[in-house]
Amino acid sequence: SQQGEEDPQALSIQEGENATMNCSYKTSINNLQWYRQNSGRGLVHLILIRSNEREKHSGRLRVTLDTSKKSSSLLITASRAADTASYFCALGRQGRKNDYKLSFGAGTTVTVRA
Amino acid sequence: KAGVTQTPRYLIKTRGQQVTLSCSPISGHRSVSWYQQTPGQGLQFLFEYFSETQRNKGNFPGRFSGRQFSNSRSEMNVSTLELGDSALYLCASRLSTVNYGYTFGSGTRLTVV
Repeated sequence: SQQGEEDPQALSIQEGENATMNCSYKTSINNLQWYRQNSGRGLVHLILIRSNEREKHSGRLRVTLDTSKKSSSLLITASRAADTASYFCALGRQGRKNDYKLSFGAGTTVTVRA
Repeated sequence: KAGVTQTPRYLIKTRGQQVTLSCSPISGHRSVSWYQQTPGQGLQFLFEYFSETQRNKGNFPGRFSGRQFSNSRSEMNVSTLELGDSALYLCASRLSTVNYGYTFGSGTRLTVV
């Protein structure tokens, strides 16, 4: 499969807690990206991590990438009600013909309870 | 700067009709990609255009087509609509470099009745 597989499918946490979701994949990648989507609207780019990077931070977000295990994780610290959304991992791959494609997983639905 | 603009936001069409969706990318972004999102199949890649050329295509029937204009604006067309084409169609633009995130529009919600 050229798509990532997210785990868990759904997550419910209390406000202030941390949320962790994982993404596993099977192909080689140029980068791995995480996106957020609120209620069927457009996706918002959160963070991109290149295949030669192991960890990146952006505000309350922390992303790790282990290319030997072909897995990534997204950690949201000190969650807020506004973090309630679906989170998608996306695999960025450039083909032999210099074509580039971003393939999305099925997503993790995160609910933050007040 | 202005984001990715998709028009129309909502559309209701009858089976057998055709539809054209429009996408205006962020200024300076020459790459435009289209995705179909449904509850059952998730986000499926349709195609990517760069400098008016289709660079990549997903596994969709020939009823789905697209094009890009010299100003990078893109359109996608679906002919002979089927009920299963009901979906949220998302357009995304990015700079041409590989390690750069996509900026998505708010999407066009197409309902086929």
